[in-house]
Amino acid sequence: GAGVSQSPSNKVTEKGKDVELRCDPISGHTALYWYRQSLGQGLEFLIYFQGNSAPDKSGLPSDRFSAERTGGSVSTLTIQRTQQEDSAVYLCASSPGEGDFYGYTFGSGTRLTVV
Amino acid sequence: SQQGEEDPQALSIQEGENATMNCSYKTSINNLQWYRQNSGRGLVHLILIRSNEREKHSGRLRVTLDTSKKSSSLLITASRAADTASYFCASRGSGYSTLTFGKGTMLLVSP
Repeated sequence: GAGVSQSPSNKVTEKGKDVELRCDPISGHTALYWYRQSLGQGLEFLIYFQGNSAPDKSGLPSDRFSAERTGGSVSTLTIQRTQQEDSAVYLCASSPGEGDFYGYTFGSGTRLTVV
Repeated sequence: SQQGEEDPQALSIQEGENATMNCSYKTSINNLQWYRQNSGRGLVHLILIRSNEREKHSGRLRVTLDTSKKSSSLLITASRAADTASYFCASRGSGYSTLTFGKGTMLLVSP
């Protein structure tokens, strides 16, 4: 597609349930990033995929969070046993690759509300 | 942490005026970028300045970078109501592969 697509755009879930958030990056972009943004805050890095390399998971806040990227394209972020503090907008971005020339293209995000 | 800080946190101006936002960061960088966010959703990339550059222009945007002070500024000239948004700086630290974002400046441009 022309842009980064995220689904769902909104998700309300009960505390303790698992959720899956999907990101479809721009075709041909080898780098994919997940960030989250709490109300009125900056972006918090979660995880980074680059090509076939092992992902950089250093930003995942707990072992309840995991992500995968299949076939170097679509990525799924999974949050198990959701907690109220997981409520945030989850943003996915992609870029043509690593380097000093590329900005990120962001999707519109998934707003997750844990009740 | 590499996290940058934007200043001011909020800025309110009239259409036609210039808006200046500042950003500071903590470690050496490869590049620094500015993004705009409307309505708390996806961010839009505005401009990228590399560590060996001091100034860059794009339309009504002017970005400066002072690596000795670890700071950058974004100037929007002749602002419009449509410029109302949050603006974030993001730095790519030397040896890092990802961007670290600040908390942003909320800009309100009144007609």
